Amino acid sequence: EIVLTQSPATLSVSPGERATLSCRASQSVSSYLAWYQQKPGQAPRLLIYDISKRATGIPARFSGSGSGTDFTLTISSLEPEDFAVYYCQQRDNWPLTFGPGTKVDIK
Amino acid sequence: QVQLVESGGGVVQPGRSLRLSCAASGFTFRNHGMHWVRQAPGKGLEWVAVLWYDGSQQYYVESVKGRFTVSRDNSRNMFYLQMNSLRDDDTAVYYCGRDQRSTHCDSWGQGTLVIVSS
Repeated sequence: EIVLTQSPATLSVSPGERATLSCRASQSVSSYLAWYQQKPGQAPRLLIYDISKRATGIPARFSGSGSGTDFTLTISSLEPEDFAVYYCQQRDNWPLTFGPGTKVDIK
Repeated sequence: QVQLVESGGGVVQPGRSLRLSCAASGFTFRNHGMHWVRQAPGKGLEWVAVLWYDGSQQYYVESVKGRFTVSRDNSRNMFYLQMNSLRDDDTAVYYCGRDQRSTHCDSWGQGTLVIVSS
């Protein structure tokens, strides 16, 4: 099983600032790395898939990058609606696994 | 517009069974695999199971193997999770998700809450 570790656990950022979220895998992941956003009381929403491809309707301020075992989600300029929990997810092999999440809150 | 609506959650005693349903609409259901993902109260996301578009393959997280079974009815656009021998740690909101290329979920339902408690 591939274990995903996310850091930091909590990121305090001011609106308009840049946020950089990290996801590290316990072994190399090919290209099947996705990112989701979840707000309280809501279902997750797909942001990024295949490491760097934005899902339909996702603003350009969200970008994904990385390779091997290290991946990054960058939010270039935080909007008020971006404060949420973000999860990375891999499906290089089964079982599909999620990271523990990074909470982005208002500084 | 893709819509996924889960139902069937509730309070159940340990050791008992429950079947969750996911009603799909707004897309060609028979062309997509489907996942169940759960989230315990205050915790992160945990993938539970996947079923191929044609029902030919399925995978489960280790903790539910032998207890949970996924199935689907492509004629009714329905996806199911049969949960047997429920345990306290199965308490969670259960989401169904539409699969893309067996690598991620691109659409999610709003979830149904399962509480396992005596």
